[in-house]
Amino acid sequence: EIVMTQSPATLSVSPGERATLSCRASQSVSSNLAWYQQKPGQAPRLLVYGASTRATGIPARFSGSGSGTEFTLTISSLQSEDFALYYCQQYNNWPPWTFGQGTKVEIK
Amino acid sequence: QVQLVESGGGVVQPGRSLRLSCAASGFIFSNYGIHWVRQAPGKGLEWVAFISYDGSNKYYADSVMGRFIISRDNSKNTLYLQMNTLRTEDTAIYYCAKGGQEWNVWGQGTMVTVSS
Repeated sequence: EIVMTQSPATLSVSPGERATLSCRASQSVSSNLAWYQQKPGQAPRLLVYGASTRATGIPARFSGSGSGTEFTLTISSLQSEDFALYYCQQYNNWPPWTFGQGTKVEIK
Repeated sequence: QVQLVESGGGVVQPGRSLRLSCAASGFIFSNYGIHWVRQAPGKGLEWVAFISYDGSNKYYADSVMGRFIISRDNSKNTLYLQMNTLRTEDTAIYYCAKGGQEWNVWGQGTMVTVSS
């Protein structure tokens, strides 16, 4: 099973600042990596798939990068609606499909 | 519009059974594999099970193998999760999600609470 590790667990950022979230895989997942945003009481929302392709309707301030075992989600200028939980997920080696434990982006 | 709607959650005693449903609309259900994903209270996302577009392939997380059964009825555009021998650690919100490279359609979730 591929273990996904996200860091940091919590990221405190001021509105308008840049946020950088990291995700590491225990073995290579090529570019088969997705990022999700989840707000309280809501289902996860796909942000990025294929490590760097934004999903339909996702603002350009969200960008994904990386391949192999190291991945990054960058939010270029945090808006109030971006404060949420973020998960990475690998879909290269399955089953199981595995998620990271999440990074909470909170207001500084 | 494209959507998935789960139902069937509730409170159940340990050792009992429950069946969840996931109704699809707005897309060709029979073309897509579908996943079940759960989230325990205050915890992260855990993949539970997957069924291929035609039901011929099914996969389960180790934590539910032998207790849960995923199935689908393409004539009804509906996915099912039969959950048997439930444990307290199965308490979670259960989501269905459209498969493929982009898991871009998720239901709103249905809450399952296993408690005596």
